[in-house]
Amino acid sequence: DIQMTQSPSFLSASVGDRVTINCKASQNINRYLNWYQQKLGDAPKLLIYNTNSLQTGIPSRFSGSGSGTDFTLTISSLQPEDVATYFCLQHNSWWTFGGGTKVELK
Amino acid sequence: VQLIESGGGLVQPGKSLKLSCSASGFTFSSYGMHWIRQTPGKGLDWVSHITSSSGTVYADAVKGRFTISRDNANNTLYLQLSSLKSEDTAIYYCARSNNMGIDYWGQGVMVTVSS
Repeated sequence: DIQMTQSPSFLSASVGDRVTINCKASQNINRYLNWYQQKLGDAPKLLIYNTNSLQTGIPSRFSGSGSGTDFTLTISSLQPEDVATYFCLQHNSWWTFGGGTKVELK
Repeated sequence: VQLIESGGGLVQPGKSLKLSCSASGFTFSSYGMHWIRQTPGKGLDWVSHITSSSGTVYADAVKGRFTISRDNANNTLYLQLSSLKSEDTAIYYCARSNNMGIDYWGQGVMVTVSS
């Protein structure tokens, strides 16, 4: 089974800050890595699919990068509406989620 | 795309429950579908997947106890939960599958297993 280790589990940043969240896979997952945003009480929303493809309607301040086992979600300029929990999903072999990163405003 | 789960509730250990997911806004019969669950302590866990042609796979934790199925005529996905355990307590989401992995999710339904 592929394990996904996400870091950090919590981060506090100011409006306008550049924020990065990481996911590390226990083995090569090629580029089959997605990022989701979940606000309190809402359904998860797909932000980035297959490492770096931006889902339709998602602001361009969100971007993804990586390959193999190491992947990153970047928010280039944090906005108040970005307060949420973010998690990754590998879909190279079955489906495994990262543990999540809670993003709050400083 | 809209996915609406129903059927959750409080159930005793060892009992059964059937969840439904009503789909709209897309051609349901053309897509695979997932059930995924979320607990505060353990995060998100994939539970089961069914292909557009009704092929099924399950996570080890639920294999032999849960059954995923679909009714394409009524655009509905199901999850039959049997021999329930306290550790099955979670919010259960249905979600759509495609070559992006998992794109759209429902709002979720709470299942609580407790005596």
